Amino acid sequence: SQTIHQWPATLVQPVGSPLSLECTVEGTSNPNLYWYRQAAGRGLQLLFYSVGIGQISSEVPQNLSASRPQDRQFILSSKKLLLSDSGFYLCAWAPLPGTTGELFFGEGSRLTVL
Amino acid sequence: AQSVAQPEDQVNVAEGNPLTVKCTYSVSGNPYLFWYVQYPNRGLQFLLKYITGDNLVKGSYGFEAEFNKSQTSFHLKKPSALVSDSALYFCAVRDITTDSWGKLQFGAGTQVVVTP
Repeated sequence: SQTIHQWPATLVQPVGSPLSLECTVEGTSNPNLYWYRQAAGRGLQLLFYSVGIGQISSEVPQNLSASRPQDRQFILSSKKLLLSDSGFYLCAWAPLPGTTGELFFGEGSRLTVL
Repeated sequence: AQSVAQPEDQVNVAEGNPLTVKCTYSVSGNPYLFWYVQYPNRGLQFLLKYITGDNLVKGSYGFEAEFNKSQTSFHLKKPSALVSDSALYFCAVRDITTDSWGKLQFGAGTQVVVTP
């Protein structure tokens, strides 16, 4: 069966520090991968998605970047965190091709920027 | 563009009573529709989806939803709510006419509170 892992689960970082959140998927190949951010415990905003190694699409301009160095690995990064980067970050995957179905979410990473 | 509206910030229901969480959507083409549930500090769990076929879809934990094309709605229902159903519920849509990448647009979420 497929599983998705995110780490760290919780992170407290000072303003201006770097960030790296990691997501890996097991039990599948060539998945579509997504990073969402949930602010204030409510709505989700799609940040990035990837359909293959090295292929990243950004949905909103921001202080963050994403990379996909391996087929089942998706990394969210920042060189210098802002207060507004605080939130709950969720990684998700969907099978290829077509992705006609639901996304499968990880347990999330809660980032607090102080 | 695709969008989802969940008009209720919170729904309160007594245990054993029917539960309904409302969702309306807007897409330029044909929709795929989804419901997810989120417990505190957890990821989203998939409940059910409408892709095609029967307008009434059944999902996990006794939930069901009805796709109504004329009203552009996809309300989530459960005949008898449990205290353990208290959580945050999200409706999501994908416009399959314009999106090839499986991107879902989520509503703002509805907090469900079931009292004993």
